[in-house]
Amino acid sequence: KAGVTQTPRYLIKTRGQQVTLSCSPISGHRSVSWYQQTPGQGLQFLFEYFSETQRNKGNFPGRFSGRQFSNSRSEMNVSTLELGDSALYLCASSRSDRVSLETQYFGPGTRLLVL
Amino acid sequence: AQSVTQPDIHITVSEGASLELRCNYSYGATPYLFWYVQSPGQGLQLLLKYFSGDTLVQGIKGFEAEFKRSQSSFNLRKPSVHWSDAAEYFCAVGPLGGAAGNKLTFGGGTRVLVKP
Repeated sequence: KAGVTQTPRYLIKTRGQQVTLSCSPISGHRSVSWYQQTPGQGLQFLFEYFSETQRNKGNFPGRFSGRQFSNSRSEMNVSTLELGDSALYLCASSRSDRVSLETQYFGPGTRLLVL
Repeated sequence: AQSVTQPDIHITVSEGASLELRCNYSYGATPYLFWYVQSPGQGLQLLLKYFSGDTLVQGIKGFEAEFKRSQSSFNLRKPSVHWSDAAEYFCAVGPLGGAAGNKLTFGGGTRVLVKP
């Protein structure tokens, strides 16, 4: 079956712009989580959605937001981009809202470069 | 706050040699523990996980990990490394005590280079 799909795979933006990233989970998966990966900070949790509800949010400024649609697809938005937002953004999907019950599967990521 | 430490940033091993990657966590209780691998340009792939029971866990690609409560460690091992094992490896913990949620807290990662 198809894995987690993230679009676009690569993106270049300039400071001050906004960006929207998309994640399509594996069919039947209702949970989507987002992570930011940078060389300096490593992998950091952004937020988690389950059945269209945000269940958890990481320690990121309000410029970072997300949502999940009824078909479980998720988008994250970053407004007023800063150079430090350059990163690989990963999403992961799962059938369950508990990591103890079901494996999370990660997508290939969207690489964002802010100039 | 939950934290995960991977003391080795880089490790170089010869093909065919054994590999051990270290992971330490700091919690009061035993968390859910995971090892993921990330190949260049790829997302993360789950190698193995530990929730409870037998402290030696077998995973995919010939990897195993041992949970040691007394040392708060969850080290990853492979007896004989292949060139395709060159990648970055991440240790992670999940929510404590069976709590709901899929949030993972990751260590800083260990990059493995395999010499021919």
